[in-house]
Amino acid sequence: DAGVIQSPRHEVTEMGQEVTLRCKPISGHDYLFWYRQTMMRGLELLIYFNNNVPIDDSGMPEDRFSAKMPNASFSTLKIQPSEPRDSAVYFCASSPNNEQFFGPGTRLTVL
Amino acid sequence: AQRVTQPEKLLSVFKGAPVELKCNYSYSGSPELFWYVQYSRQRLQLLLRHISRESIKGFTADLNKGETSFHLKKPFAQEEDSAMYYCALTGTASKLTFGTGTRLQVTL
Repeated sequence: DAGVIQSPRHEVTEMGQEVTLRCKPISGHDYLFWYRQTMMRGLELLIYFNNNVPIDDSGMPEDRFSAKMPNASFSTLKIQPSEPRDSAVYFCASSPNNEQFFGPGTRLTVL
Repeated sequence: AQRVTQPEKLLSVFKGAPVELKCNYSYSGSPELFWYVQYSRQRLQLLLRHISRESIKGFTADLNKGETSFHLKKPFAQEEDSAMYYCALTGTASKLTFGTGTRLQVTL
């Protein structure tokens, strides 16, 4: 198993553009998590899903952020419109229980 | 509410010196505590969890419910231990709350 897969690994975009980050969890894991990592705030949980259903999106910073999980093998995190303060590394993680397995992250830079 | 506090952003120690990365938590129930590590250019990975009570790469961590702490310790630091360390807590539904992380820097 290749582990959690995220794409793209790096994204550079201009303010106002739409950004879509993608995640493929480990097969058989019922939970999927999206995190944002910044120097100032560390790792923040944005949203998580259980069996493709969003359970807690209280960490989503604002309406510009949305996440979907159309099936057990795919999830997206979308930012529209993007702003420079969204620049961060975004991690996806999946879990069968209490242990989470992280993807390599997507480094997003919004100019 | 669950909260994890790592008071040190950076901990610098000499090779061979003891290491202690501090972690305090607040949670009203019985939490499960973890330490995750992120080596340079690698993904975040689980280092150890309190229920396992095992030593991984020479690191140990004991849950102290009285002091609500879960400090990570190693008697002799190695260069390869240099990394970012995150303490995390989960109460229910697999939701992890992370601390802000401590960067361990081991120098010669």
